[in-house]
Amino acid sequence: QTVVTQEPSFSVSPGGTVTLTCGLSSGSVSTSYYPSWYQQTPGQAPRTLIYSTNTRSSGVPDRFSGSILGNKAALTITGAQADDESDYYCVLYMGSNWVFGGGTKLTVL
Amino acid sequence: EVQLVQSGAEVKKPGATVKISCKVSGYTFTDYYMHWVQQAPGKGLEWMGLVDPEDGETIYAEKFQGRVTITADTSTDTAYMELSSLRSEDTAVYYCAMGVTSFSFDYWGQGTLVTVSS
Repeated sequence: QTVVTQEPSFSVSPGGTVTLTCGLSSGSVSTSYYPSWYQQTPGQAPRTLIYSTNTRSSGVPDRFSGSILGNKAALTITGAQADDESDYYCVLYMGSNWVFGGGTKLTVL
Repeated sequence: EVQLVQSGAEVKKPGATVKISCKVSGYTFTDYYMHWVQQAPGKGLEWMGLVDPEDGETIYAEKFQGRVTITADTSTDTAYMELSSLRSEDTAVYYCAMGVTSFSFDYWGQGTLVTVSS
């Protein structure tokens, strides 16, 4: 079974830029997987950031952007802020099946 | 304003069945898929399945096939997720999530904690 891979953890300095990735244990991620990204803080429901690779959800600031980088989907946060410290999950659509990555814990310090 | 409001926390014994509701407002219930997502304590998110409220068709993740039933009641604009043969590993927060864009989860319920304990 194909596994969706994410970095377990990442660290960024305030004001810095970070790119989180979402790959496949076998194969490449393309727009056909309609990658989407979600932010979750402890005790809260996930918040939708990006859908269909690079479309920002309503109300999401433009310092969050999505793309395909090489063979992975990517979420880039530009000008990181303290309240960006969260867990980030990607999801890939795999033909009537949606598969989450394991999530990346982002620390801003 | 789109809202998904889930039912309250549940405590169940192993082997029991739990049924969680997700009442929606602010949009036409039959227009979009309703998904269910599991999150065990300290763990990541896992997609369980979906229902198309327009015709009741369902798709389930292989892991939950045979134990999960997702339904939609269009008379009350409410989706349900029933999980049977509960075991301790099913202790988790369960979220409903509506997908406007067909391939993503755009609006989320607040989550329902299910605790399975003898």
